[in-house]
Parts: sequence; structure tokens; C-alpha cells
Amino acid sequence: DAGVIQSPRHEVTEMGQEVTLRCKLISGHNSLFWYRQTMMRGLELLIYFNNNVPIDDSGMPEDRFSAKMPNASFSTLKIQPSEPRDSAVYFCASSLRSTGELFFGEGSRLTVL
Amino acid sequence: TQLLEQSPQFLSIQEGENLTVYCNSSSVFSSLQWYRQEPGEGPVLLVTVVTGGEVKKLKRLTFQFGDARKDSSLHITAAQPGDTGLYLCAGSGGSNYKLTFGKGTLLTVNP
Repeated sequence: DAGVIQSPRHEVTEMGQEVTLRCKLISGHNSLFWYRQTMMRGLELLIYFNNNVPIDDSGMPEDRFSAKMPNASFSTLKIQPSEPRDSAVYFCASSLRSTGELFFGEGSRLTVL
Repeated sequence: TQLLEQSPQFLSIQEGENLTVYCNSSSVFSSLQWYRQEPGEGPVLLVTVVTGGEVKKLKRLTFQFGDARKDSSLHITAAQPGDTGLYLCAGSGGSNYKLTFGKGTLLTVNP
């Protein structure tokens, strides 16, 4: 079975540009998590979806960040406008249930110049 | 806010050596997970411990959950270069979906 698939793997953009990160969940998983990883702060939960519904977005840094889950298998994380401090690796993870094992994608490394 | 402190932050050893890394908190967790993350990859779950005092073994890796469920340790026997990676612990508050991750221990095993 294919794991969690994220795209793009690497993104370099200039400050002010819109960035869209994509995630395809493992088939049958109903929980979706977006995390951000930096050296300074480690892994931080940005937003959690259950059955396509956003349950907790308290980790989203500010209004420049938005996430959607238009169907059971796909999610996007958008940053508009992007800023240099958004530079990080963004991970998507899915699980069979909200407290089950997390299966992480390979991450999207974002660099905002 | 629940925090998990991992130590050491960095560890570089020679192949064949033993090592222990630690995950500590002042908070009680209902369960604790250990992940390994290799460069350019996402974290991969190694083990989940749920009972205070529980010990789990995964080949050369031994995981222990503290009696009070506030801390955990990972011991690796006869480390190999393939053990190189970032070891992350993550605590769960129970039915709460929100995992608290430590910042990890970056282990390098030199041949």
C-alpha cells in the first residue's frame, strides 16, 4: 500500500508569494494531521481533521495559514502571503483513528526568501 | 502545557557501543510513543508504551515507561550505523488526539 504522499518535496519561494502544500492520505484513514518541524521548536501540530472536518486549528500560526480537506483522501495547506519565518519542513500524517499510530509523509521542505 | 524534554540533544558513538536516551516531563501521559526519523523522511513509529513501568523490546532496542508515566528511556545495545537518526518521543493525554513531541535526540553511529 502507498503511504502518505506529500507534494512538493521542496519549495523555494519569495516572501509574499502564495504556497500550497498537498497531502494524499492512506486509503481508509479518517484522521489527518498537519505538522511543522523546525530545529528551534521541533514538531508542532498545526491542524487536525477527523472525517474531513477540522477539529482543532489552534496550532495554525495566524490567518495567513489555511487548510482544507475537500474529500476523504486529500488535503491542502496554504500560506498566503508567505514570510521567511514560515521556512520549515511541513509534514502531513494520517491515522486510522484520532489516537492511533501516525503515518507521516516524507515532508515538504519550504524555504521562503 | 505539557512539555517533553529529551536528552541528550546530540549523541555520536562508535558502532558496537551501548547508549541510552531519555524523555522527561513534569506531566503524566496516558501513553508515550517513540519515533525514529531519518534524514529527508518523516518520523516512523517504533513503539507505544501505555503502562507505568512497562518495558518493551524491539530487537536491540529496549523502551521503558516510568512508573509515574512521566518519563521514558530508550536503550540501544550494540549500536549499528543503521540506527542513525533522530529519535523522538511523543506523549498522549489519553483520548486526546494531540501528541506532544519532544525535540528529539540526534544519534550518529559511526562505523
